[in-house]
Amino acid sequence: QQQVKQSPQSLIVQKGGISIINCAYENTAFDYFPWYQQFPGKGPALLIAIRPDVSEKKEGRFTISFNKSAKQFSLHIMDSQPGDSATYFCAARGPTDKLIFGTGTRLQVFP
Amino acid sequence: NAGVTQTPKFQVLKTGQSMTLQCAQDMNHNSMYWYRQDPGMGLRLIYYSASEGTTDKGEVPNGYNVSRLNKREFSLRLESAAPSQTSVYFCASSGRQGGYEQYFGPGTRLTVT
Repeated sequence: QQQVKQSPQSLIVQKGGISIINCAYENTAFDYFPWYQQFPGKGPALLIAIRPDVSEKKEGRFTISFNKSAKQFSLHIMDSQPGDSATYFCAARGPTDKLIFGTGTRLQVFP
Repeated sequence: NAGVTQTPKFQVLKTGQSMTLQCAQDMNHNSMYWYRQDPGMGLRLIYYSASEGTTDKGEVPNGYNVSRLNKREFSLRLESAAPSQTSVYFCASSGRQGGYEQYFGPGTRLTVT
């Protein structure tokens, strides 16, 4: 299966709170799991990525948690800020080296 | 260093009209991609080019053609536009085939009436 399922579709968080976005996949041949961030009117940009042999990767306030046995991974944004308001896409790199994207999560962080 | 540029930014077409979306990158990348973005559907790959002179179909290629003119430029052509092709189109490039770090252009918003 080539799909990557992403939830929730939208998320509202108060400033300072934790934002959590979840993704699930079926294809065990996926070998890289990046997250992209997209601001309105702009193209997506790489935020953070993880390999399946690593359970967690942290960059500043952004953390990816990876559960290989459950075939799930999630993005945690700690101390969420209004400037984090954007659409977030998870993705997976498949055996043909193409990225398969999730359907996106629109995050709104209110002061 | 402009990164990935796309023209035009906006376009309105009538059903049956044709047009070409232009994309150029100045990062000396080998791989280039065309995606469409629709609400609730994420980013779906239309065509990609692993290197100059090669192109391959992605998930949703019907109704589109592409040309990898040289290493810098990758164009997407709609021969006979349909309302179902109303979307935001993104071009992207990466430094190697299968690179998970793709650099995206600002997008073209296309409406077909």
